[in-house]
Amino acid sequence: QVQLQESGPGLVKPSETLSLTCTVSGYSISSGYFCGWIRQPPGKGLEWIGSISHTGGIAYNPSLRSRVSMSVDTSKSQFSLMLSSVTAADTAVYYCARDQGGGANSDWGQGTLVTVSS
Amino acid sequence: QSALSQPPTASGSPGQSVTISCTGTSSDVGGHDHVSWYQQHPGKAPKLIIYEVTKRPSGVPDRFSGSKSGNTASLTVSGLQADDEADYYCFSYAASINFVHVVVGGGTKLTVL
Repeated sequence: QVQLQESGPGLVKPSETLSLTCTVSGYSISSGYFCGWIRQPPGKGLEWIGSISHTGGIAYNPSLRSRVSMSVDTSKSQFSLMLSSVTAADTAVYYCARDQGGGANSDWGQGTLVTVSS
Repeated sequence: QSALSQPPTASGSPGQSVTISCTGTSSDVGGHDHVSWYQQHPGKAPKLIIYEVTKRPSGVPDRFSGSKSGNTASLTVSGLQADDEADYYCFSYAASINFVHVVVGGGTKLTVL
């Protein structure tokens, strides 16, 4: 059974860096799938942040590219997301998902709410 | 403003069919077959219901179908059921000269009357 679980601080101060980890189970992180990151501000729609392959290949949302970095640790079956210089506009539920290619996210984590506030 | 345009609302009575559109450009929807659709119930993670324009993941009822014409993709839900009431989003692969990324529609709230 494929499972993804996001983890990280639920509260981040403005101008600081948001860091989240996605731990996957039920499939090999090296099997060729991408890990996608998607967020959803409270009461609003979905926004694609980016995706990373197990070899480190990355695609970014152009509007977030300057602030986003992603990494993969195959030994821990984990993907990571970092978003720098956060503001209140970055408050959202952050999801990681198994991307089978072309943005087709077949399996999702439950999501984690990150609030940006002092 | 979302890169892909979806109607904000749609509705239908039980048993009826409803179609939701997703309009982009030749750089995204019109240029590739990597269009996917997601269903999201309140407080839940999105669920993939259509990928590569027309394909359904295992377990998704055949009442859900996808299509594409030019720069517009469509999701049709046939035989509407109460549980189909949810938000629906389209995603599309997008490619430009320098990079590839994914663009998303603003979402459509489907109401079953």
